[in-house]
Amino acid sequence: GENVEQHPSTLSVQEGDSAVIKCTYSDSASNYFPWYKQELGKRPQLIIDIRSNVGEKKDQRIAVTLNKTAKHFSLHITETQPEDSAVYFCAASRIPTFGRGTSLIVHP
Amino acid sequence: GAVVSQHPSRVICKSGTSVKIECRSLDFQATTMFWYRQFPKKSLMLMATSNEGSKATYEQGVEKDKFLINHASLTLSTLTVTSAHPEDSSFYLCSARPPGTAFPYSGNTIYFGEGSWLTVV
Repeated sequence: GENVEQHPSTLSVQEGDSAVIKCTYSDSASNYFPWYKQELGKRPQLIIDIRSNVGEKKDQRIAVTLNKTAKHFSLHITETQPEDSAVYFCAASRIPTFGRGTSLIVHP
Repeated sequence: GAVVSQHPSRVICKSGTSVKIECRSLDFQATTMFWYRQFPKKSLMLMATSNEGSKATYEQGVEKDKFLINHASLTLSTLTVTSAHPEDSSFYLCSARPPGTAFPYSGNTIYFGEGSWLTVV
C-alpha cells in the first residue's frame, strides 16, 4: 500500500513569513495529492490538491508543487497569518493515505 | 464543496455498551465512504472503506466484529462500536467521495463529516 511521510511535524513562523511543508510517497501509481487543514477538534478541510499531470498549482497564498520522479510534493504558504495556524495533512492516492501532519504555528 | 454530515458530534457511553455513529452525504450519492480514527495530535488512521450494498473493507489490525459498518443506502453509512472500552475513546471521522467529475466535484476529492468524539467511561 501507499506510505506517506510528512515533514516537519511542527513549524513555527512569524506572521508574514512563508511556510513550506514537504511530503514523500511510495506508490508511483498514485496520481492525486490533496492537502487538508484541520483546526483543533474540527474536521479536515481540503485547501488545495494537485494531480499527477501538473507540476504546480496555486490558489492565492497557497501553492502546491509535485515532483513525480522524486515522488515528493510540497505545500507553500506565503504571507502567513495567525489564522493559518492549524494542523496540515498531506495525502496520496484515491483512498487517501495521510501523512502524520504538521502543526503550523504563526506568531503575530 | 460537497456536504457530509456526521452524528452525534459527541457521545459518552459506559464501558461494555455499544454506540452508533451515522455518516450522511447530504447533496450527493456516495457508493463509497471511509471511516477514520484520530487520536489527539495524531494523524488520520483509515479504519475501513464502506461500500454501499456490500461488506466493508477493513484495514489490517481493525477488528471487524468490534467496529461494525453498515452502508445500507447511497447516503448513509453507520459505524457501531460494540462492547466499547475506554481505549476506544477517540475522534471518529467519516468521509465520502462524490461521484464523477462534473462541477462542483473534482472526482477524487473526499469530504469529511464533522467528526464524532467518543468517550467511554
